[in-house]
Amino acid sequence: EVQLVQSGAEVKKPGESLKISCKGSGYSFTSYWIGWVRQMPGKGLEWMGIIYPGDSDTRYSPSFQGQVTISADKSISTAYLQWSSLKASDTAMYYCARLSSGYSYGFWGQGTLVTVSS
Amino acid sequence: SYVLTQPPSVSVAPGQTARITCGGNNIGSKSVHWYQQKPGQAPVLVVYDDSDRPSGIPERFSGSNSGNTATLTISRVEAGDEADYYCQVWDSSSDHPGVFGGGTKLTVL
Repeated sequence: EVQLVQSGAEVKKPGESLKISCKGSGYSFTSYWIGWVRQMPGKGLEWMGIIYPGDSDTRYSPSFQGQVTISADKSISTAYLQWSSLKASDTAMYYCARLSSGYSYGFWGQGTLVTVSS
Repeated sequence: SYVLTQPPSVSVAPGQTARITCGGNNIGSKSVHWYQQKPGQAPVLVVYDDSDRPSGIPERFSGSNSGNTATLTISRVEAGDEADYYCQVWDSSSDHPGVFGGGTKLTVL
């Protein structure tokens, strides 16, 4: 069974750094792209970027390029999303999802809620 | 970047058919995927590659795609189908290849 398990909710202050994780299991982690999707409170889904854990090839949405870093450690089947300096506007639910046929997101993590507040 | 346009809301009575549209320039040339998201839950893929259903998704969910409009059709709507629905395409020619529509709130009357 394919599973993506994300790290727990985080509460941070503006300017702090953060790295959240997404651990894959039940499939060959290095053979499928994993993407990150943002959902701000009461809003829709936003495509942030994707990574291919096999060779760490990474693509970013222009909206998120330079704002976040996507990485993966294939030795522990885990993808990451990190910020070096959080803003209040980063408050959102963040989902990881595994790409499947036609670049659809066939499998999703449960989401990680990030709250940034002073 | 490529833009997908969905109606903000659709309402339907139980047992009727709901149709949710997703508009985009020549979207018929792309593969369209549809997600259902219920409150407090992660999205779930309900249709991929225009009209295929993942394992476990009822046959009541179907999709079509032609010209500038893709459509998710939900037959014999049930109260449990009330959710937000998002379309998504992959535009490989764009610097923003992963694109979601703005979402449609399906209300079951």
